[in-house]
Amino acid sequence: QQQVKQSPQSLIVQKGGIPIINCAYENTAFDYFPWYQQFPGKGPALLIAIRPDVSEKKEGRFTISFNKSAKQFSLHIMDSQPGDSATYFCADTGAGSYQLTFGKGTKLSVIP
Amino acid sequence: DTAVSQTPKYLVTQMGNDKSIKCEQNLGHDTMYWYKQDSKKFLKIMFSYNNKELIINETVPNRFSPKSPDKAHLNLHINSLELGDSAVYFCASSPTSGGSGANVLTFGAGSRLTVL
Repeated sequence: QQQVKQSPQSLIVQKGGIPIINCAYENTAFDYFPWYQQFPGKGPALLIAIRPDVSEKKEGRFTISFNKSAKQFSLHIMDSQPGDSATYFCADTGAGSYQLTFGKGTKLSVIP
Repeated sequence: DTAVSQTPKYLVTQMGNDKSIKCEQNLGHDTMYWYKQDSKKFLKIMFSYNNKELIINETVPNRFSPKSPDKAHLNLHINSLELGDSAVYFCASSPTSGGSGANVLTFGAGSRLTVL
């Protein structure tokens, strides 16, 4: 089964810090790498995604960095805020699969 | 207007009972899913339907039976509930079942099932 390895499992940063969450994939099917954000009591929601023809994508304070040769992509949150406290999931669809597999999630806590 | 709505939001029941969760999407998507999220927040796919046809059926006990009457609805029926079934069940939809559209999921708010 397609594996998506995400780290760290949890992360605590001060307000204004730059948390970084990493994700490693195996053999991707669709070349489209999303990050999902989940607040307590809510469903995950697509936050940002990147195609591998670029090495970086920014949307507001959120940036994805992509390293195709290493099969890794990372989420950076600039100037993190307490409202960013949530669980973040990376995901990928393995080659030959219709199945979107999620990483195990990273619980981020941003302390005021 | 909620894009993916599922009911009920909370479900508390006794072991051995049968229960159903309903899901509806108004996004016009072709593909719908059921995911299970355990207490450690791990998201695992259970089923996927594309235009009312089952395309993913993961290793799930046959006590779980999905039904899709049309492409906007996907229901989950669970027979003979067990303690280990306690989890949050998420319905989701995507524009397609293949291509990058399959990676763009819209989730419902979840149905928290507690089996006593």
